[in-house]
Amino acid sequence: SAVISQKPSRDICQRGTSLTIQCQVDSQVTMMFWYRQQPGQSLTLIATANQGSEATYESGFVIDKFPISRPNLTFSTLTVSNMSPEDSSIYLCSVEDPWGKDTEAFFGQGTRLTVV
Amino acid sequence: GQQLNQSPQSMFIQEGEDVSMNCTSSSIFNTWLWYKQDPGEGPVLLIALYKAGELTSNGRLTAQFGITRKDSFLNISASIPSDVGIYFCAANSGYALNFGKGTSLLVTP
Repeated sequence: SAVISQKPSRDICQRGTSLTIQCQVDSQVTMMFWYRQQPGQSLTLIATANQGSEATYESGFVIDKFPISRPNLTFSTLTVSNMSPEDSSIYLCSVEDPWGKDTEAFFGQGTRLTVV
Repeated sequence: GQQLNQSPQSMFIQEGEDVSMNCTSSSIFNTWLWYKQDPGEGPVLLIALYKAGELTSNGRLTAQFGITRKDSFLNISASIPSDVGIYFCAANSGYALNFGKGTSLLVTP
C-alpha cells in the first residue's frame, strides 16, 4: 500500500482566510482524490486531481472555493478559500493502490480544520 | 454519488461478542471495501472484495460481496476493546468511491 503524508494535521483559522493542505505520496500514482468529512459524517468526494490536467470537481464543489494543484505524480495540494465556519471539517487525501488493484483506495491521516 | 445504506448506525457491545454490520444499495458495484477509522486518523482499509459471492477473511474480520452486487456485510468475531472505531463500507463503480454513513462501534471490557 502507499504511504500518504498530509500537512498540516490540524489548524484553526480565521474566517475569510485560506488554508492550503499538502498531500505527499511515497510512490507515483495517476489519480489523487480529495474528500471532506464533516463532523460525525461520512466522506464526500470533493474532486479528483490528475497530473497535467485540471481537477474534476463533484457536484456542489467549485474550483474557486477549492483550488487544487497536481504538479507531479507524488504530490497535490487542496486550498480551502475564503473560509467560513461551515468549512470546519476533516479534509482527506486519497490515492489508489499504485501496485495492486486500482479500485482500492488509501488515505492520509487527514487535516482537521476548524474555522472560527 | 450513489447512496450506500449502512446499518446499524452504532453498536454498543461487550468484549467477546460478535458484531455484524451491512451495506446495501440500489446500484450495482464492481468492488466493495470496508474501512475502519480511529479518532484523528484517516480510514484504514480492512478488506477488499472483488467478485459477487466472494467471502474474505482478515483475522477476526470476515466480509462478503453480495451475490446481487448491491450489498456487503462485515462480521467481527470475538470483539476486543481495540475494535472500537467507526467502520465504513465503500463501493467502487469504476470511478471514485461511494461511502456509507458509518457504523460506530463501542466495546466494553
